[in-house]
Amino acid sequence: EAQVTQNPRYLITVTGKKLTVTCSQNMNHEYMSWYRQDPGLGLRQIYYSMNVEVTDKGDVPEGYKVSRKEKRNFPLILESPSPNQTSLYFCASFRTGVKDRISGRWNEQFFGPGTRLTVL
Amino acid sequence: GQSLEQPSEVTAVEGAIVQINCTYQTSGFYGLSWYQQHDGGAPTFLSYNALDGLEETGRFSSFLSRSDSYGYLLLQELQMKDSASYFCAVRGDLNTGFQKLVFGTGTRLLVSP
Repeated sequence: EAQVTQNPRYLITVTGKKLTVTCSQNMNHEYMSWYRQDPGLGLRQIYYSMNVEVTDKGDVPEGYKVSRKEKRNFPLILESPSPNQTSLYFCASFRTGVKDRISGRWNEQFFGPGTRLTVL
Repeated sequence: GQSLEQPSEVTAVEGAIVQINCTYQTSGFYGLSWYQQHDGGAPTFLSYNALDGLEETGRFSSFLSRSDSYGYLLLQELQMKDSASYFCAVRGDLNTGFQKLVFGTGTRLLVSP
């Protein structure tokens, strides 16, 4: 089944304790991305990656790190989480430049189920 | 920078037609997408407009006019299950070459019987 998976789905942690949220896709997509969603602010892109070893900042990158060592994985790292990083996080991926092999549609971004993070 | 504006909430009745607008301020982008998100769920893709004009997918259609900096999502024959939040999004900045994605703040659609 074509999908984007994220782990963990729920996490409660304390300020300053490093954490990693994993993201993996099995569709051979080039573009992967992390978003946070907060009430009234919609989805805001944190970081994105156009391909292996190619990452760039989105609109709200402060306090986050990412890496893209393999095409399928795009972990999000919070080195020193703070309460203002309490949010709902989504990972997503899509195929760039051509129609998606599965859906036949252009630029269809597939989202993971989300990770609800609470930083105390 | 890029910013997209949407109405915060729209209400309609079953069977009706509703249009959700998205106006944007950006110097240039690759395309306009629309996503649906039910409460507690992940966003799901609805449509993508690379060129001006109308794209139709079943009950949903999406329109883009780059000259007017405007797009919309049209939902026909509304059903209760269409109650959700809808987001427009643009990808890329043709001037800088950056490929980041920017979403609108979303429109909550409430469909009543």
